Amino acid sequence: AQSVTQPDIHITVSEGASLELRCNYSYGATPYLFWYVQSPGQGLQLLLKYFSGDTLVQGIKGFEAEFKRSQSSFNLRKPSVHWSDAAEYFCAVGASTNAGKSTFGDGTTLTVKP
Amino acid sequence: NAGVTQTPKFQVLKTGQSMTLQCAQDMNHEYMSWYRQDPGMGLRLIHYSVGAGITDQGEVPNGYNVSRSTTEDFPLRLLSAAPSQTSVYFCASSSTGRKTGELFFGEGSRLTVL
Repeated sequence: AQSVTQPDIHITVSEGASLELRCNYSYGATPYLFWYVQSPGQGLQLLLKYFSGDTLVQGIKGFEAEFKRSQSSFNLRKPSVHWSDAAEYFCAVGASTNAGKSTFGDGTTLTVKP
Repeated sequence: NAGVTQTPKFQVLKTGQSMTLQCAQDMNHEYMSWYRQDPGMGLRLIHYSVGAGITDQGEVPNGYNVSRSTTEDFPLRLLSAAPSQTSVYFCASSSTGRKTGELFFGEGSRLTVL
């Protein structure tokens, strides 16, 4: 069975500081991996995705993530956080045979200090 | 550009009442699903469908029914609402080709069961 762990429930960073959100997954084969962002009262929006190939993937809003098979991780990073990045972030893993059937982590809430 | 549309956005029910959450997508996606989101628990898959006439259970299907008579629509039925079904419900859709699986979400339906 596939599963996702996001170890940090809540992270606070200062505006302009760098950010890394952790994600560890469990899946028997090559996973499809996703990061989504949810602003308050909204649905989820895709930030970036990994299917295969280059292990460093770029997404929207200046985010990037690195797939590390040996560590079963897919951490999300941003060099300089903006106040508008405050939101909840979800990591998800999908099967290559039906990636739409994704399993989500519990989410990490990001607070940005001025 | 409608994407995934959910109705209603808010609903209050009494225990034992029934209702249907509507979901429609205009992207011709084969895959549709329903998730519920509860604080600290991420998104949990209720039911999903890989095409018209085909549905299957997810992680938390009890108390919910679905059907898929058309590609566009995927309603979620609560037959006898219980307070434990108080949650925010999200409908999502995705295409099913290789290297896909990105989920497109509706804005959510907040359900309170008294």
